[in-house]
Amino acid sequence: DIVMTQSPDSLAVSLGERATINCKSSQTVLSISDNENYLAWYQQRPGQPPKLLFYWASTRESGVPDRFSGSGSGTDFTLTISSLQAEDVAVYYCHQYYSIPFTFGPGTKVDI
Amino acid sequence: EVHLVQSGAEVKKPGESLKISCKGSADIFTNFWVGWVRQMPGKGLEWIGIIYPRDSDTRYSPSFQGRVAISADNSINTAYMQWSSLTASDTAVYYCARHRRAATNPSDAFHIWGQGTLVTVSP
Repeated sequence: DIVMTQSPDSLAVSLGERATINCKSSQTVLSISDNENYLAWYQQRPGQPPKLLFYWASTRESGVPDRFSGSGSGTDFTLTISSLQAEDVAVYYCHQYYSIPFTFGPGTKVDI
Repeated sequence: EVHLVQSGAEVKKPGESLKISCKGSADIFTNFWVGWVRQMPGKGLEWIGIIYPRDSDTRYSPSFQGRVAISADNSINTAYMQWSSLTASDTAVYYCARHRRAATNPSDAFHIWGQGTLVTVSP
């Protein structure tokens, strides 16, 4: 199985400041055949189901504010919130869909 | 708008069986993989498995293989997950979710999520 790790476990950021979340996979999730990283990011607000933010590591889902960005390739990925808003308080998960069983990272809690 | 509506919360005793459901609001299942994700109380997301309703091709995480069974009824746009004998460790919220693309390739992100079904197993 591909093991996903995230850092930090949690972080507190002031409104308007930058938040950076790191995700690392135990094996590459970059496909040679299509040159895509099979990596997604989700946001889960308290009491709600997860919401897809990015797929292919950096393709923003429709409706996701552009203060969110995804980057990285191979085994190292980053989710950045450029200017934290109150509604961004949530747990963020990375997810590899390169190899079954697909797996999630443990999550990073973002607070104000 | 595409929705996934899951069956309601369940309270069961250890050893009992259970089948929970996930219904699409439209013909959104036929060509899309649909999966299940577990979230134990206060914990993270765990990938259980996925099914391709068109041909019932099913893939499981080894952690859940043999402990749950995923199925689907294409004619009513509904996916299911069932247990034959619940234990206290099955207490969790279970989400169904649909992949982003209509494709036979199972490698995809979860795009549409159900609201979750809380399963509580207690003596």
